[in-house]
Amino acid sequence: AQSVAQPEDQVNVAEGNPLTVKCTYSVSGNPYLFWYVQYPNRGLQFLLKYITGDNLVKGSYGFEAEFNKSQTSFHLKKPSALVSDSALYFCAVRDDTGFQKLVFGTGTRLLVSP
Amino acid sequence: DAGITQSPRYKITETGRQVTLMCHQTWSHSYMFWYRQDLGHGLRLIYYSAAADITDKGEVPDGYVVSRSKTENFPLTLESATRSQTSVYFCASSDEGGFRDEQFFGPGTRLTVL
Repeated sequence: AQSVAQPEDQVNVAEGNPLTVKCTYSVSGNPYLFWYVQYPNRGLQFLLKYITGDNLVKGSYGFEAEFNKSQTSFHLKKPSALVSDSALYFCAVRDDTGFQKLVFGTGTRLLVSP
Repeated sequence: DAGITQSPRYKITETGRQVTLMCHQTWSHSYMFWYRQDLGHGLRLIYYSAAADITDKGEVPDGYVVSRSKTENFPLTLESATRSQTSVYFCASSDEGGFRDEQFFGPGTRLTVL
């Protein structure tokens, strides 16, 4: 069965510094990988997805993610953090075999300090 | 309003009562989903629907019932609410790609079962 791990409950970064939110996955087939962001009292918003192709995926709000097949990772990155990036970030994976639902990680809270 | 809406936004009920959470989308998306969000679990899929009159179980369907008589509506019913169903419930929709495509989330319903 597919699974996703977000090893950090919270990531703290100063505004202007680069940020990384980690995600590792386990699937039996080819992975479809997603990042979503949740702001307080809101639903999740799509940031980016990887299906095939370039290992560096660019998404909304200046975020990008790096797919690494050998390390089964899909880390979310941004070169320069903003205070407004503070939110809860979810990684999700879809297996292309069997029951094709999305499996979400438990989320990582990003706190960007001024 | 365009988009995906959920009602009510907040609901308090008692154990044993029936509760229906409403979800409405204006995009005519084929797929609709119900998730619950609990601390430490991320989002878990309850039910999903690939089209009107087609529904299927997700990861945690017990105690829930869904229907989809119209493409735009996907109500979730708790037949006899239990305290373990206290959660935040999110409805989402996506186009024909289903789990391969980005999902658009509603604002959520916070349900408390006393």
